[in-house]
Amino acid sequence: DQQVKQNSPSLSVQEGRISILNCDYTNSMFDYFLWYKKYPAEGPTFLISISSIKDKNEDGRFTVFLNKSAKHLSLHIVPSQPGDSAVYFCAARKNTGNQFYFGTGTSLTVIP
Amino acid sequence: DGGITQSPKYLFRKEGQNVTLSCEQNLNHDAMYWYRQDPGQGLRLIYYSQIVNDFQKGDIAEGYSVSREKKESFPLTVTSAQKNPTAFYLCASSTLQGAIRNEQFFGPGTRLTVL
Repeated sequence: DQQVKQNSPSLSVQEGRISILNCDYTNSMFDYFLWYKKYPAEGPTFLISISSIKDKNEDGRFTVFLNKSAKHLSLHIVPSQPGDSAVYFCAARKNTGNQFYFGTGTSLTVIP
Repeated sequence: DGGITQSPKYLFRKEGQNVTLSCEQNLNHDAMYWYRQDPGQGLRLIYYSQIVNDFQKGDIAEGYSVSREKKESFPLTVTSAQKNPTAFYLCASSTLQGAIRNEQFFGPGTRLTVL
């Protein structure tokens, strides 16, 4: 049973515009959320995280928003650049233990 | 320069053979993980370990085995019992919950192909 869901397999955005990637989760015990970026045949690299005590976290061009009542988080990339083209994974961790749960990923293409 | 290394990058195996994938980290992380990625799918957890000499099964542990004899090392053995072993395997490590930073760091991955 997929506890972290990314319902959009792919997204295309023009360079300079905003990219919004979405993620939904089902388990109310999740208290820590992360976004990873992955290129083909490479390991994912950490982008940004957010604790459940916050509703927004910003790091440069990347902002993550968390809506706990809706069990939804999103990653905003502004402005989008061609180098942002990759697969983005959303992940979550419960408030106990050290297991991380991953979504199926969204493939972002930024068109020059 | 801290990080996670996985070897080899590409691995070919004949059906019916066991094969061991290496994972080493020098980040002084307590927790280590093995994931499998198939085309169009996310990362599925095979095994994880939070401390030396202890590990837990993930969602798809059948046909795999691990050991954690040293904090730095977490090798994964793909046995002949694994019915569909061809995949991209990723190793990761992290601090334990409660640490200031708790994200997972990933290795570069091993592509296993069964011939």
